[in-house]
Formats: sequence, C-alpha cells, structure tokens
Amino acid sequence: SAVISQKPSRDICQRGTSLTIQCQVDSQVTMMFWYRQQPGQSLTLIATANQGSEATYESGFVIDKFPISRPNLTFSTLTVSNMSPEDSSIYLCSVFGTGEMADTQYFGPGTRLTVL
Amino acid sequence: AQSVSQHNHHVILSEAASLELGCNYSYGGTVNLFWYVQYPGQHLQLLLKYFSGDPLVKGIKGFEAEFIKSKFSFNLRKPSVQWSDTAEYFCAVWMDSSYKLIFGSGTRLLVRP
Repeated sequence: SAVISQKPSRDICQRGTSLTIQCQVDSQVTMMFWYRQQPGQSLTLIATANQGSEATYESGFVIDKFPISRPNLTFSTLTVSNMSPEDSSIYLCSVFGTGEMADTQYFGPGTRLTVL
Repeated sequence: AQSVSQHNHHVILSEAASLELGCNYSYGGTVNLFWYVQYPGQHLQLLLKYFSGDPLVKGIKGFEAEFIKSKFSFNLRKPSVQWSDTAEYFCAVWMDSSYKLIFGSGTRLLVRP
C-alpha cells in the first residue's frame, strides 16, 4: 500500500481567498489523483496529475479554479482559488499502490475545507 | 454514460443481521471492481477488490463480494454484522476506457447494538 499525508487536515476560509492543499506520498508514483467529496455525497475526480506534464481535468473542473502542481514523484499541491461556500468539501489525494497493489488506489486522510 | 449505482443510501441493521449492499455499473468493457469503507472520522480504506478469476472475493473483516458479469453487479455481503461495521461503504469501478475510478453514491450503514 501507499502512505499518503495531506496538509492541512482542515481549514476555515473566507470567500474570495485561496487555499493550497499539499499531498505527500511515501513512495515515487507516476500518477496522483485529486478528488472532491462534497457534504453527504460521493467522491468526484477533479484531475489527474502526472509529474512533468500538465494535469488533466475532468468535466466541470478548470485549471484556473483548481491549479495543480506536481514538482516531483512524491508530492503534489491542489489550490482552490477564489473560494465560495460551494467549495466547502473534503479534498482527497489518491495514488496507486506499489508492487502487488499497483492496480489499487489508496487515499489520503483528506482536507476538510469550510468556506464562509 | 459510464456510471456506478448503489441502490441503498441508508441501511439500519441490528447486530448479527446479514448485510447485502447492491452495486451496479453501466459499462460493457473490462472493469476492475472495488469496495471501499469509510469509518466515522477515518479516511477511505480498501475493503476488497476484484480483477479477474473467482467472482466471489473475500475481503477484510469478514466481508465478501460477488461479481456477476451478466448483471453488471458487484454486491457486498456479510453474514453477521457488528456494531463496529457502522460506516459508509463505497462501490468503485475502474473502467479501462476512461482510465479512472468512478464511485457510487455510497451507502451509510448503521448497526445498532
């Protein structure tokens, strides 16, 4: 499996501001995924981030709103820009495991964001 | 459109009752199937998975799931639930055409002692 940490674990932000979420993995991985889990709902993929290339965004998500960086094989950031209360969600980082678990996605603990 | 459906949004059971949570997907190609669990205050954990072979797979904590290809289903079962099984359960499907994991809406299970 993969060990994933995220910072911050939670934050309360004012509308119009931006928050950058960090994701750190204990092994080198090619692909990193960012998900959003809105209150009472399931997980929705925001984008896939490969090291050395631009992130690929899912329908409904744009780079200006959710810029992603992927500077190396163990780290990524997701920024939630110009926040509104509708951005209040849990944001999760995910990677594939290694070895025998290379076909399985593992998830970080999430960042719980509240926008006032 | 490719989608994953979980029919039961909320399930309430007494301890020792049997559990079956439904999961169906809409995709005719090759899939990898997963059940994840999220215990209160904890992060998402893998419960079990199916890639190929025996369609009846066993996971952690006594859970099992059966893949029925003709029904596009991957239902989760446990013969006797415990209070500690109270959690939210997510079915997820990896579809080879989209190269991403698609989640169902989740089922909140409450087990009463």
